[in-house]
Amino acid sequence: DTGVSQDPRHKITKRGQNVTFRCDPISEHNRLYWYRQTLGQGPEFLTYFQNEAQLEKSRLLSDRFSAERPKGSFSTLEIQRTEQGDSAMYLCASSLEPLRQGRWDTEAFFGQGTRLTVV
Amino acid sequence: AQKITQTQPGMFVQEKEAVTLDCTYDTSDQSYGLFWYKQPSSGEMIFLIYQGSYDEQNATEGRYSLNFQKARKSANLVISASQLGDSAMYFCAMREVTSGTYKYIFGTGTRLKVLA
Repeated sequence: DTGVSQDPRHKITKRGQNVTFRCDPISEHNRLYWYRQTLGQGPEFLTYFQNEAQLEKSRLLSDRFSAERPKGSFSTLEIQRTEQGDSAMYLCASSLEPLRQGRWDTEAFFGQGTRLTVV
Repeated sequence: AQKITQTQPGMFVQEKEAVTLDCTYDTSDQSYGLFWYKQPSSGEMIFLIYQGSYDEQNATEGRYSLNFQKARKSANLVISASQLGDSAMYFCAMREVTSGTYKYIFGTGTRLKVLA
């Protein structure tokens, strides 16, 4: 396995259009995260999945944002009616259940991100 | 509320010298993990090192070590023998283990430039 994969790497869209991003986590990882990063800032948490269940969502995640992980493997993040303020890098990360590693916490592994530009 | 503070927007270090990147955190949870990530210009976040709140010894991974001072709530990253390839953004992050949240919280980062 080569790590977390995100597609596309870059997306330019017109304001008002819908966009969808895909994330393929490391195969044995049951935890999956979406983050957003703007220039000069650290990643901001958007949402978290444990297997197929979406267990946590940030208040940043407006009604225009929706995420799915239908079979507990890959995940999609959709933004409807995009706005210029949505322009950012969208990062996906995955991690293993800590107890499976004999630990009580584990690091997240990130993909290379999808850079969204809304014009 | 959990928070990470990185007060150094940018740092310079001479090649082969050591450098310390500062990180302080705030949490009311007793069980938490602290992480450092490196983000080169390519954009990918690369995991460097992890410290658990109950770990008594400071974590080390090759040239990276974490200076963990629990009472001061600081988790500084020390890079020894800096290399040109260490030039990147560095982010400190924290995850509370028992508070019911799963997210990692990141600081604003420190941009490190290694000089030849």
